[in-house]
Amino acid sequence: NAGVTQTPKFRVLKTGQSMTLLCAQDMNHEYMYWYRQDPGMGLRLIHYSVGEGTTAKGEVPDGYNVSRLKKQNFLLGLESAAPSQTSVYFCASSRPDRFYEQYFGPGTRLTVT
Amino acid sequence: KQEVTQIPAALSVPEGENLVLNCSFTDSAIYNLQWFRQDPGKGLTSLLLIQSSQREQTSGRLNASLDKSSGRSTLYIAASQPGDSATYLCAVRHGDYKLSFGAGTTVTVRA
Repeated sequence: NAGVTQTPKFRVLKTGQSMTLLCAQDMNHEYMYWYRQDPGMGLRLIHYSVGEGTTAKGEVPDGYNVSRLKKQNFLLGLESAAPSQTSVYFCASSRPDRFYEQYFGPGTRLTVT
Repeated sequence: KQEVTQIPAALSVPEGENLVLNCSFTDSAIYNLQWFRQDPGKGLTSLLLIQSSQREQTSGRLNASLDKSSGRSTLYIAASQPGDSATYLCAVRHGDYKLSFGAGTTVTVRA
């Protein structure tokens, strides 16, 4: 039981490049989330999904897109990376019957130059 | 909008001292509050979850209290050890899925 995994762990992009971050969970959770963490700030919700085939915007969605084609996977895309997207990205998942307690992946450190 | 504040941002104590970490939130209409631990370069590990109807929750040396009416939670770590050095984050759930996080308190326990 791996929990929540994220790929890749590190990535350096140049401004304007695109990439996709992959999140996978093996706990059969309905809900999945993408957060970003910046120094001196709490985690901020980018997008979330309440089930396969659904996505919704969080607090800071601009510049990101997501897809949830399979229940266990949640993809975060950056179409045209900007230096302001340099951050650590965390994926999390939860199920509604456990107080929505969220379980987090190890994070992806992204640098945009 | 829910604002979550953790003060101080950093704390250094000698080994064996009890730790007291504070979390405050602006909107008392919460479902629950979670305390997380984050080690450098790692993800978040859930420590304790307190439902809005509870006053406190305990796990080993950890005890978390919740005063919803005043918008405060406190995490107590008894008899601190160097292995307790980490950043501690609190988060409040104020919707079916929405968590609002504080910026965290970075703890250093000196041997």
